[in-house]
Amino acid sequence: DGGITQSPKYLFRKEGQNVTLSCEQNLNHDAMYWYRQDPGQGLRLIYYSQIVNDFQKGDIAEGYSVSREKKESFPLTVTSAQKNPTAFYLCASRAGRVNEKLFFGSGTQLSVL
Amino acid sequence: DQQVKQNSPSLSVQEGRISILNCDYTNSMFDYFLWYKKYPAEGPTFLISISSIKDKNEDGRFTVFLNKSAKHLSLHIVPSQPGDSAVYFCAASAGNYGQNFVFGPGTRLSVLP
Repeated sequence: DGGITQSPKYLFRKEGQNVTLSCEQNLNHDAMYWYRQDPGQGLRLIYYSQIVNDFQKGDIAEGYSVSREKKESFPLTVTSAQKNPTAFYLCASRAGRVNEKLFFGSGTQLSVL
Repeated sequence: DQQVKQNSPSLSVQEGRISILNCDYTNSMFDYFLWYKKYPAEGPTFLISISSIKDKNEDGRFTVFLNKSAKHLSLHIVPSQPGDSAVYFCAASAGNYGQNFVFGPGTRLSVLP
């Protein structure tokens, strides 16, 4: 079955710690995205990548970093510079053609200890 | 400034009746719109889309209407079912290869039995 797998489902971060959220897709999609959802709010774009070895900052990239070494994988690192990391993180992908919808993973809930 | 607005944070509807969820946008470059449904602690699932060359798109119980002059779209669910209770997000993008989607804050729909 094709889809997007995010892991872990729940993650806890200690003060000053970097943590990495995994996102893998087997849909052969070119573009991948990371969104953040806070309670009662919409999805805000953190980073996106249209092709391997290329990525762009979204609206709220500060305190985050990404890599896109493989087409299938787009991990997100939440660094210690992100002062308010508690949120629900969603990874998405889409085919590279115009007007293709986003497919989402099941999300990772990150909380600060 | 929010480019995509969903001004009703919540909506309650009786089972079997029509649910109407509204979305307004400010960016006249947006030409592709999607609706997603989201349950707590899960990723959004795609419901229906519409491009700006149309003013209506139907898929089963779901119909999306687009009024470009008013920069307004609406999602109609008929008949509403208890399983439709979720948060609904409207998303918009400008059609190009690197299109990114801007999400509204969501409307929580409760369908009462």
